[in-house]
Amino acid sequence: GQQLNQSPQSMFIQEGEDVSMNCTSSSIFNTWLWYKQDPGEGPVLLIALYKAGELTSNGRLTAQFGITRKDSFLNISASIPSDVGIYFCAGQLRGTSYGKLTFGQGTILTVHP
Amino acid sequence: DGGITQSPKYLFRKEGQNVTLSCEQNLNHDAMYWYRQDPGQGLRLIYYSQIVNDFQKGDIAEGYSVSREKKESFPLTVTSAQKNPTAFYLCASTETGQYHEQYFGPGTRLTVT
Repeated sequence: GQQLNQSPQSMFIQEGEDVSMNCTSSSIFNTWLWYKQDPGEGPVLLIALYKAGELTSNGRLTAQFGITRKDSFLNISASIPSDVGIYFCAGQLRGTSYGKLTFGQGTILTVHP
Repeated sequence: DGGITQSPKYLFRKEGQNVTLSCEQNLNHDAMYWYRQDPGQGLRLIYYSQIVNDFQKGDIAEGYSVSREKKESFPLTVTSAQKNPTAFYLCASTETGQYHEQYFGPGTRLTVT
């Protein structure tokens, strides 16, 4: 199936630093979502984006729907230890069934106190 | 408390046995989904259902079966035909009209030996 390229695969940062991660594709997406997953748990929805160019914040998290509709970015400001986890991007590829999402491989975030 | 429940959290089976994973939601969501997650990979869609008594194959449906007899329940059967059944299985549901904002259960880790 269609792949989303999510990068970086992992990040090791100090508490207080800002974090950036992104997802790219060669195809156009209608919707982008960002999820966070703690070990052994289900992903939790962080931010949903529906329009090209849309910039949405949720606390210290900010995500953007790329203008070309082929990418999305997630930024975390002033990281804290509880930000540790795996962050996934997901999107609905144009032309696919409503509600059928494609997921990136995930970015593993480690925050050192 | 509204939410999605998956049981059990951990499941062990012998090779050659069928096993059914439970997914129940009391959110009154119409659509439900089953995903498989392997280490270091994103989520891959097994089956989804947008309405009672109807479901569609996802990207990796071979070796799996589902039923949707009730709105709140979407059980997944991992059959003996599934070649690599050991994985983390996640169930999700979405609110009517918000088919992209999928909310996940806590997952079931299935180990087949």
